[in-house]
Amino acid sequence: ILNVEQSPQSLHVQEGDSTNFTCSFPSSNFYALHWYRWETAKSPEALFVMTLNGDEKKKGRISATLNTKEGYSYLYIKGSQPEDSATYLCAPEGPGTYKYIFGTGTRLKVLA
Amino acid sequence: GAVVSQHPSWVICKSGTSVKIECRSLDFQATTMFWYRQFPKQSLMLMATSNEGSKATYEQGVEKDKFLINHASLTLSTLTVTSAHPEDSSFYICSAARGTGGSETQYFGPGTRLLVL
Repeated sequence: ILNVEQSPQSLHVQEGDSTNFTCSFPSSNFYALHWYRWETAKSPEALFVMTLNGDEKKKGRISATLNTKEGYSYLYIKGSQPEDSATYLCAPEGPGTYKYIFGTGTRLKVLA
Repeated sequence: GAVVSQHPSWVICKSGTSVKIECRSLDFQATTMFWYRQFPKQSLMLMATSNEGSKATYEQGVEKDKFLINHASLTLSTLTVTSAHPEDSSFYICSAARGTGGSETQYFGPGTRLLVL
């Protein structure tokens, strides 16, 4: 896995808005996908790990889907809150190596 | 659970000196630890993978003599930047995993910002 793209790079939303971002990766050479939330000056926090095409995971107001055939994952946040402000990173993992390849992240700012 | 600490969080040093960064898994045993580096506006880039008691595996382009990694126990890994130069200034972050298999979650420390003058 060489090229991981996340879009948008950054976005601002109003409190209460729902939002989503995309992680794109080569559909071949894929084993698992990890999502992290990274607040400034803190450790990245693991949100989800997904492996199967069609996987859907949910944690509170945050959910994620995975399409391994076309090589993308969506992260959704329902009813954004200021505490959701963070950089969201995705990291596909290649088979055999079990190494993460990180995207540059989507920086979310939720305005109160 | 799954807390990883990293020390120091900030370090400023003179060119030519060596800097050691510690990464500890506080509440679990880490079979594997990883070291990443991040330059401004870029993604986290894996530098090396280390397993307890064995030599680290370095990624292509990472000088093993420049970045010494020691994983002496199941809860501690250290990264030493030897003879640091201004181009080594970066953000270094470690992670730890309980196992070695696929889809294993990595738990990250908060990172260390290194500035070499």
